[in-house]
Amino acid sequence: DSGVTQTPKHLITATGQRVTLRCSPRSGDLSVYWYQQSLDQGLQFLIQYYNGEERAKGNILERFSAQQFPDLHSELNLSSLELGDSALYFCASSPDWREETQYFGPGTRLLVL
Amino acid sequence: AQSVTQLGSHVSVSEGALVLLRCNYSSSVPPYLFWYVQYPNQGLQLLLKYTSAATLVKGINGFEAEFKKSETSFHLTKPSAHMSDAAEYFCAVSPNAGGTSYGKLTFGQGTILTVHP
Repeated sequence: DSGVTQTPKHLITATGQRVTLRCSPRSGDLSVYWYQQSLDQGLQFLIQYYNGEERAKGNILERFSAQQFPDLHSELNLSSLELGDSALYFCASSPDWREETQYFGPGTRLLVL
Repeated sequence: AQSVTQLGSHVSVSEGALVLLRCNYSSSVPPYLFWYVQYPNQGLQLLLKYTSAATLVKGINGFEAEFKKSETSFHLTKPSAHMSDAAEYFCAVSPNAGGTSYGKLTFGQGTILTVHP
C-alpha cells in the first residue's frame, strides 16, 4: 500500500458525459501527478500540481482539467467523454516538486460506452 | 525530449532462471531512471531508482539494475526468477534538471514477464 488513495476504483459512463476522479496523496506529500494508461498510448503524464499550483503539463487534452485543493487532495475532471478516453487513470504523489520518487495509487479504471 | 525504449514487450523465463529486462534511454543529460512493477489490477510499485549515485542499484525483491552511460542503458536483472515475479515492468526516466519538466516521468511501453515452472 503506497498510501495514495483514489476513488472511485471503477467508473462506467457514456460518451459525452463528465466525470471526476479523486486522489488523496500520501500524508505530507505536497505534489500530485496524474497519469493515463491506455492500451494504445501506454503510460502518459498528464499534469502535476504542487501545493495547489499547477507545476507541469503533459499530454492533457483541453477537455480534461485538474486542481489541487487546500487539503492537498486533487481532482481530475474529464468532460465530453469519448470512447478513446477509456483507460486507467493513476495518481501519484511525492513530498516535493523536486522529489524524484513518485508513489502511485491503485488507479481508477474508466470505461466509456 | 527524453524517451525510453524497452526491448521486448514479452519475456518468458523458467522459475530459477536469470531475469533480464532491457531498457535504453535517450536524454541530453544523465537523467534519473526508475523501474516500476505493476501486478494485475494494481498500481505501480517502485522497484528501484538511479539518481546519480552508485551505478549499480539494488532494489526490492532481489532486483538490481546497472546504469551504463556509454550504452545509455538501465537493464533490470534478477539472478533467480520466482513465480511471484510475474508482472508487467516499466522503465521510466525523469529529467535531472530544474524547471517545469522536473518530476515528470516518461515511461517505456512495458515488458510483461512470464515465469513458468
